Amino acid sequence: GAVVSQHPSWVICKSGTSVKIECRSLDFQATTMFWYRQFPKQSLMLMATSNEGSKATYEQGVEKDKFLINHASLTLSTLTVTSAHPEDSSFYICSARVGPNSPLHFGNGTRLTVT
Amino acid sequence: GDSVTQMEGPVTLSEEAFLTINCTYTATGYPSLFWYVQYPGEGLQLLLKATKADDKGSNKGFEATYRKETTSFHLEKGSVQVSDSAVYFCALSDSSGSARQLTFGSGTQLTVLP
Repeated sequence: GAVVSQHPSWVICKSGTSVKIECRSLDFQATTMFWYRQFPKQSLMLMATSNEGSKATYEQGVEKDKFLINHASLTLSTLTVTSAHPEDSSFYICSARVGPNSPLHFGNGTRLTVT
Repeated sequence: GDSVTQMEGPVTLSEEAFLTINCTYTATGYPSLFWYVQYPGEGLQLLLKATKADDKGSNKGFEATYRKETTSFHLEKGSVQVSDSAVYFCALSDSSGSARQLTFGSGTQLTVLP
């Protein structure tokens, strides 16, 4: 089946540094990738929608200058948390699909801890 | 906006017990409804779905029926196994046909004891 690989699975960084998270579709071409954030005991909240070759569309309240999203190829999207702060500590999950009517495939998530 | 409300967990059951995880939704139009499962250390996987009222989604012994009159999509399984221990998410997607995202519930942790 379709596999989405997310890397790293966990990362610890110091406050003020930047962290990049990768999301790769291993055996299919993903025209659209989504980035979610999940706080403990809360639902997944969509952060942004990323279409290959174009700028990401951010949800209301998500700072696009802080959460940089790049989708330069049909198999890779990256999320960079810039100048991370402890409140950015969370679980980040990506998903990918071939087209609008295709099923979503999720990565395993990345646990970010900012100290 | 759209929203999904799921029963809070955690839920702990003995093996072979009956499972119900409640899910209700608020949406305009005619959304599609989904249950996703997240096993420990893994990503979300689609468990089942229903795209219109009165549809029943089923997979791996799990079932859920799209009830428009009660705006519900409760997940059920007649006899759970230890291997069913996971987090279950109810979700909906809107009917606009755009590349809009899924709206998720908060997830319900299920632990099945042998």
